[in-house]
Amino acid sequence: GAVVSQHPSWVICKSGTSVKIECRSLDFQATTMFWYRQFPKQSLMLMATSNEGSKATYEQGVEKDKFLINHASLTLSTLTVTSAHPEDSSFYICSARGPQTGGRGSPLHFGNGTRLTVT
Amino acid sequence: QKEVEQNSGPLSVPEGAIASLNCTYSDRGSQSFFWYRQYSGKSPELIMSIYSNGDKEDGRFTAQLNKASQYVSLLIRDSQPSDSATYLCAVNIGRKGSGGGADGLTFGKGTHLIIQP
Repeated sequence: GAVVSQHPSWVICKSGTSVKIECRSLDFQATTMFWYRQFPKQSLMLMATSNEGSKATYEQGVEKDKFLINHASLTLSTLTVTSAHPEDSSFYICSARGPQTGGRGSPLHFGNGTRLTVT
Repeated sequence: QKEVEQNSGPLSVPEGAIASLNCTYSDRGSQSFFWYRQYSGKSPELIMSIYSNGDKEDGRFTAQLNKASQYVSLLIRDSQPSDSATYLCAVNIGRKGSGGGADGLTFGKGTHLIIQP
């Protein structure tokens, strides 16, 4: 099946610093990847859609200047949390649709997630 | 109105019994429905997908879809302690004004399932 790799799996950073999270599709090409965020006991919330070779599309309420997304190749998308604050502490998960159909009807495959803690 | 709704639970089911998980959604035009299992501290993993009205079976899991009632459910037969997790219902909802052609999924908050040995 489709494999999505995410790195790092956890990170602790100081307030005001930036953190980069990588998401790779290992055995298929993904023109579109999705970044989700999940707070404890809450649902996954879509933050943005990462589009290869073009600008990301952000959901309402998500600051594009704070959460920088780069999708420079068909297998790699990165999310950079800039000037992180404690309220940014969360579980960040990337995902992509598998290679079989790729259309909107196909399911998402998730990376293992990144636990971010901002102190 | 919330787009995808689930009872948060916890739902407690004895080992060997059938666990029934329910989900309703608001967008009548939705066409794709998924069930994910999420263990604590882990990312979701796909259990079932369903696109047409009726039942779809895969091993101990059965997904049921009723588009007229905007309702999708997941049955787990012969429940095992290892089935204890949070089960997320996900729907491909058309999102107006959000931009982009390939939207992500909209998730419910999940139902916390506990299988009692």
